Order: sequence, then structure tokens, then C-alpha cells
Amino acid sequence: TQLLEQSPQFLSIQEGENLTVYCNSSSVFSSLQWYRQEPGEGPVLLVTVVTGGEVKKLKRLTFQFGDARKDSSLHITAAQPGDTGLYLCAGAKSSGDKLTFGTGTRLAVRP
Amino acid sequence: DARVTQTPRHKVTEMGQEVTMRCQPILGHNTVFWYRQTMMQGLELLAYFRNRAPLDDSGMPKDRFSAEMPDATLATLKIQPSEPRDSAVYFCASGSGLDRFNQPQHFGDGTRLSIL
Repeated sequence: TQLLEQSPQFLSIQEGENLTVYCNSSSVFSSLQWYRQEPGEGPVLLVTVVTGGEVKKLKRLTFQFGDARKDSSLHITAAQPGDTGLYLCAGAKSSGDKLTFGTGTRLAVRP
Repeated sequence: DARVTQTPRHKVTEMGQEVTMRCQPILGHNTVFWYRQTMMQGLELLAYFRNRAPLDDSGMPKDRFSAEMPDATLATLKIQPSEPRDSAVYFCASGSGLDRFNQPQHFGDGTRLSIL
């Protein structure tokens, strides 16, 4: 049973478009992380959110943690080819707990 | 920048052979994780260590997989005997374990394993 479902699974867009990726669960998480993984490499941490309703911005990326801490979203403004990769959310149910990774969203941004 | 180092990067072998994957965590990190990534299952946690002690290996098939940390600078994951269904990319990650909430995990670039 996958605790964290991501949608969409695949996304192909034109450079300059906006997009939103969703990470949903029926479980409550104490913290949630977003990673990006490029081909042939390991995932790289983008952000950690810990408070319900929290919004964090990283340049053109905006991350939000749901009020109930069961879901999260990643919004990219004016996507660039360098944003191409696999986006993974990962949640921890309690402080110091192991991470459970989501199913992933594979993003391709065409020049 | 400090990095997690994994060796080998690629491994192709025949079923039944022993496979050993190695990981050098970032110096000073006290938590080490082993993950397996496949297209079908995504990223799955196999085992993790804190201060070299195994804390959870429930994700690992015990009959053929074993994970150890002989010292603070080396973690190993062994498969014996290997089977075609073990083909995947195996990642090691390390963390400092000091943050109140789950610490960021720093991943290596993985070992791509193919069992023929």
C-alpha cells in the first residue's frame, strides 16, 4: 500500500508554462520533504515543510503543506528545461521517523 | 561539497552470484539509509542505521540480503544469492540526525544492478 500518492505521474510541458504537482495521503505527517532526481543521480532535497498551511518559496518553486498535514503541493512558475526531472515527496509520521517516499512525478520541460 | 560515495556505479552479474555494494557516508553523519528504486515500486527503504546500529531492516528480504556498518565510514549491502528480481538501482543516503524533525537525507548516485 502506497501511503503517498503523487499526481500527475507524468507531465510534459513547454518552457514558460506553469504547473502544479500534488502529493496526497490519508495519513498525517509531522514533516514532508520534496526531492528532485535527475537521470543517473540520487534525489536532492529541495525543501522541508513542517507546519500545517506552511508555504515555502525557492525561486520559481512554491511548496505548500496542507492544513491537516496530509497533503502537499509543488507549483513551478515559468518552467525551464533545467526543471526536468523526477519530483518525489517524502513524509515522516513523527520526529526522527523514517521517510516514506511518494510515487513520483516525472516532469519534462520542452525548450 | 561533501558527498555520499557509492561503489560500484554499475554491476552486471549472473544470478546466484554474491553482490556487495559499498557506501561512504558524509563525514560526521550518524544515520545511513539503504534504498532500492525500480520503475514499478519507486523508492523503497531497505534498512537504516544510526550510530552504526541497525534500527530497521524490515524492508529487506532477510534470507538473501544483509546490511552492515563495519565502521563509521563504510556501509555495505550484500545480496547472496542474487536473483533477476533484485535488478534495480540501490541508493545509499546519510543524514546528521540532529534536527528535531526528520533530517535531510543526502543521497549518493546509486549502484545500478543487473542480474542476468
